[in-house]
Amino acid sequence: DVKVTQSSRYLVKRTGEKVFLECVQDMDHENMFWYRQDPGLGLRLIYFSYDVKMKEKGDIPEGYSVSREKKERFSLILESASTNQTSMYLCASSLYGLAGGPGTGELFFGEGSRLTVL
Amino acid sequence: DQQVKQNSPSLSVQEGRISILNCDYTNSMFDYFLWYKKYPAEGPTFLISISSIKDKNEDGRFTVFLNKSAKHLSLHIVPSPPGDSAVYFCAASARLSSYKLIFGSGTRLLVRP
Repeated sequence: DVKVTQSSRYLVKRTGEKVFLECVQDMDHENMFWYRQDPGLGLRLIYFSYDVKMKEKGDIPEGYSVSREKKERFSLILESASTNQTSMYLCASSLYGLAGGPGTGELFFGEGSRLTVL
Repeated sequence: DQQVKQNSPSLSVQEGRISILNCDYTNSMFDYFLWYKKYPAEGPTFLISISSIKDKNEDGRFTVFLNKSAKHLSLHIVPSPPGDSAVYFCAASARLSSYKLIFGSGTRLLVRP
């Protein structure tokens, strides 16, 4: 069964702290993604990676960085957390491409990490 | 400016009735559309998709209709059991942007027993 696991379900951090969000998938998927979900805004793509050590900016990369040292693991890093980064963070993976097209397969999401920055 | 819009933040229907969720888009380059369903404390799961070469796609209780001239799609769920209560996200993509998904803001469906 397909599995995307996010290490922390709930985190509370202080402004200025460095935050790591970890994501692991067990499906041998090439592509991994980080989204954030906010009320009224839906899911917005922060970064994605289509191979080990490769990364591409999504729509809202500012204030974030990512790391993909192994195929199964994709980390989201907030170098200096701010209150406007309080959100639900969703990791996803896909077998083919950006998973939005016909025949490219679907996105598989983790359960999400709810981050509160005080 | 949001390219994919779900103008109804919430929808309430009676159990067993039809649920119709709507989605509008502005980018005429979008050529593939998807619906995802999300329960609280879980990640979204893929529900159904439709290519722009079609105007309808059915999968069990779920049917998606696409009206390209109106830039509108809708998801019909028939019938709707209480277990369908969730947030439904519409998403669109375009071949020219490598099928990067653009999500709408979601509609919370409540199916009343």
